[in-house]
Amino acid sequence: GQNIDQPTEMTATEGAIVQINCTYQTSGFNGLFWYQQHAGEAPTFLSYNVLDGLEEKGRFSSFLSRSKGYSYLLLKELQMKDSASYLCAVSDSNYQLIWGAGTKLIIKP
Amino acid sequence: ETGVTQTPRHLVMGMTNKKSLKCEQHLGHNAMYWYKQSAKKPLELMFVYSLEERVENNSVPSRFSPECPNSSHLFLHLHTLQPEDSALYLCASSQDVSAEAYNEQFFGPGTRLTVL
Repeated sequence: GQNIDQPTEMTATEGAIVQINCTYQTSGFNGLFWYQQHAGEAPTFLSYNVLDGLEEKGRFSSFLSRSKGYSYLLLKELQMKDSASYLCAVSDSNYQLIWGAGTKLIIKP
Repeated sequence: ETGVTQTPRHLVMGMTNKKSLKCEQHLGHNAMYWYKQSAKKPLELMFVYSLEERVENNSVPSRFSPECPNSSHLFLHLHTLQPEDSALYLCASSQDVSAEAYNEQFFGPGTRLTVL
């Protein structure tokens, strides 16, 4: 079966750095997405990785290792507004997105 | 203008009611999706439409009936639902269903459905 694993919840301090991990087992791989979802709002796109390595976009970076079936989202200089759920999703061989359950990130002052 | 809109934002219905959820996208996309989001569970893909034709139906009960009259509008008709159907229903759109590896989906704000 297809499976995406990510931690249920994480807590971090404002101004710090946090890494949210995602491991996957899917039938085929056509890229990995990270989305951010604030409570009661729509998920919004953060990043896309299809090749191994690190993609940096401002305070957010996303890393992919296809051989290990592993990705992480790195958030630097955390702000209170970063409190949200972070969803990992893999595009499988049919280009359908397989979703993780999301990681709820709580930022404390 | 918001790319993907959904109405209503909140809906409470009894098990014998019939209601419809509406989604509209203003992005010129060819593909539209219905997802169910329950607390602490992965997004569940329900239906996929490409150019108004259904291309995916992930074993969804018949009490959920989708309709896609054109590439900008998507409906989800509900009837005789069960309390376990209470969830957030999200609509999304993307440029195409497949053909390219990069296929970002744009989501609407969702309809919070409560079945009594």
